[in-house]
Amino acid sequence: DSGVTQTPKHLITATGQRVTLRCSPRSGDLSVYWYQQSLDQGLQFLIQYYNGEERAKGNILERFSAQQFPDLHSELNLSSLELGDSALYFCASSVGGPSNVETQYFGPGTRLLVL
Amino acid sequence: SQKIEQNSEALNIQEGKTATLTCNYTNYSPAYLQWYRQDPGRGPVFLLLIRENEKEKRKERLKVTFDTTLKQSLFHITASQPADSATYLCALGESYTGNQFYFGTGTSLTVIP
Repeated sequence: DSGVTQTPKHLITATGQRVTLRCSPRSGDLSVYWYQQSLDQGLQFLIQYYNGEERAKGNILERFSAQQFPDLHSELNLSSLELGDSALYFCASSVGGPSNVETQYFGPGTRLLVL
Repeated sequence: SQKIEQNSEALNIQEGKTATLTCNYTNYSPAYLQWYRQDPGRGPVFLLLIRENEKEKRKERLKVTFDTTLKQSLFHITASQPADSATYLCALGESYTGNQFYFGTGTSLTVIP
């Protein structure tokens, strides 16, 4: 158990809908990362938050947004869903200290299926 | 374009042998490289980290090498066991862009009893 929790575990929805994925980082970790993993794309970095502020952005679509709250939990919002958004979404956390060389601890993921 | 390529085929080896997985990258300047293990339907789990100025790192039955000239990392599992069967991912970190990682596509390893 990495200490990172994600809810829900599974989500089934229809095209055009909007969903929110939630992540609680390990106790003490200030950085949260979101990844998308699909069969053909591998693990793709979406976005990173550090102590409530956006720190780095990857291949995140404009239909997707995220935020990190004062209690450090984070939410990833996916809107106008398309079939191709079906994937495993992982959250990871790290201490977020001054060193850039940090291990990331991954949650169990949310499996999203868009029908 | 930037690419991180791992063994294109799944790797099947006999129990007790050494498994060697490769990670080749193009158009990255990694400050460090990490290896993760991922079991089906679960999140990746950190195994080892090696920095650009290190040639080799070991941890129990695991060994990682990092050759920045060849732009390659090798990941070895010695005395492999069926429990080592999983997908292994390499991830590059470029120190000047924060803690953002770029992951390879992974290599599926099966250790046959």
